[in-house]
Amino acid sequence: DQQVKQNSPSLSVQEGRISILNCDYTNSMFDYFLWYKKYPAEGPTFLISISSIKDKNEDGRFTVFLNKSAKHLSLHIVPSQPGDSAVYFCAAAQGAQKLVFGQGTRLTINP
Amino acid sequence: DVKVTQSSRYLVKRTGEKVFLECVQDMDHENMFWYRQDPGLGLRLIYFSYDVKMKEKGDIPEGYSVSREKKERFSLILESASTNQTSMYLCATKRRYTEAFFGQGTRLTVV
Repeated sequence: DQQVKQNSPSLSVQEGRISILNCDYTNSMFDYFLWYKKYPAEGPTFLISISSIKDKNEDGRFTVFLNKSAKHLSLHIVPSQPGDSAVYFCAAAQGAQKLVFGQGTRLTINP
Repeated sequence: DVKVTQSSRYLVKRTGEKVFLECVQDMDHENMFWYRQDPGLGLRLIYFSYDVKMKEKGDIPEGYSVSREKKERFSLILESASTNQTSMYLCATKRRYTEAFFGQGTRLTVV
């Protein structure tokens, strides 16, 4: 039972354009959401997070949007750069303890 | 900087062996996690711990056990390794309502 789902296994975007990565969740008890970036043979690194009491959080080129009624969150990267090419995971936390991840989306930024 | 250290980057073990994966953190975080990463399946939670000697099953605990005798150390144990446990194993640590920090990962191959 996949509680956090990333339905797009891959996404290809031109350099300088916007990248939009999507994530859906099923458990309404999740109260904290995060996005991670992962390069091969390395551990994931934290990008940005959002609490369930907010609907938007911005940090530089990265913005996360949360739509609680739709149980959907998205990560926007603007402008996209070649170094953004990686696998992106969304994650959701319940009760500040358990942390559940999606399947990941491989983002490729084309020059 | 938070440091999460996994004892090995690469391991090769034989079927039926008992395998220990160690994870040490230096930031006094309460929560520690073990995940495995497999292509197309994302990061799946095996076990987590929210305090010394406390543990909770994640989504795929079968074939694994854990030990947390000290706050800074969380061990994952494969009681009798099998080929379907060949995977990338990732340890993470976090405080409440903060991001999780990951180790560099252990690539385990069971032959």
